[in-house]
Amino acid sequence: RKEVEQDPGPFNVPEGATVAFNCTYSNSASQSFFWYRQDCRKEPKLLMSVYSSGNEDGRFTAQLNRASQYISLLIRDSKLSDSATYLCAVNMNTDKLIFGTGTRLQVFP
Amino acid sequence: DVKVTQSSRYLVKRTGEKVFLECVQDMDHENMFWYRQDPGLGLRLIYFSYDVKMKEKGDIPEGYSVSREKKERFSLILESASTNQTSMYLCASSFSSGSMTDTQYFGPGTRLTVL
Repeated sequence: RKEVEQDPGPFNVPEGATVAFNCTYSNSASQSFFWYRQDCRKEPKLLMSVYSSGNEDGRFTAQLNRASQYISLLIRDSKLSDSATYLCAVNMNTDKLIFGTGTRLQVFP
Repeated sequence: DVKVTQSSRYLVKRTGEKVFLECVQDMDHENMFWYRQDPGLGLRLIYFSYDVKMKEKGDIPEGYSVSREKKERFSLILESASTNQTSMYLCASSFSSGSMTDTQYFGPGTRLTVL
């Protein structure tokens, strides 16, 4: 089993739709969780950290489910500009992050 | 704003050449990382460093070495480039915050092609 797993997609959704991605992790001792956004041929950029109590930033909501060992990212009212690959990242109680391979989102008009 | 810069955006080298990739960060971060990213394989950690002159192997260190002589600079060296090292190379840095991992900030990447 991979340490961090994501559905590669692509998720094709119309503008205005709500879409959710999950990311599962194998190590129950993981302490820190992040979502990154990566545009084509660019570097990953931090979208949001994921806290135990959940985290909301505008149209984006991140949740952590420790019991089932996954994090989720919900995007409401999708925009064309949300089209990108979304990477989850999990630490294993060290300063290293383990990245998922990413979920590709394509928002169409 | 955190700034991580990499010496080249695009690089073309020949098999057997020695290749240096430079990364500089301006936020006084303790940790620095080198990844490669390939389609379908995601980000794979090559080497990382917790402090000046410290280095640790990541998941795929073979064929690579690193150097950290100054806190702000972390170099990746391909001693003898091979075609299977054609990839996107990404440098990242972060604060060291004890047992909790702080956010990593990435440079723009270097797309290396080895012919």
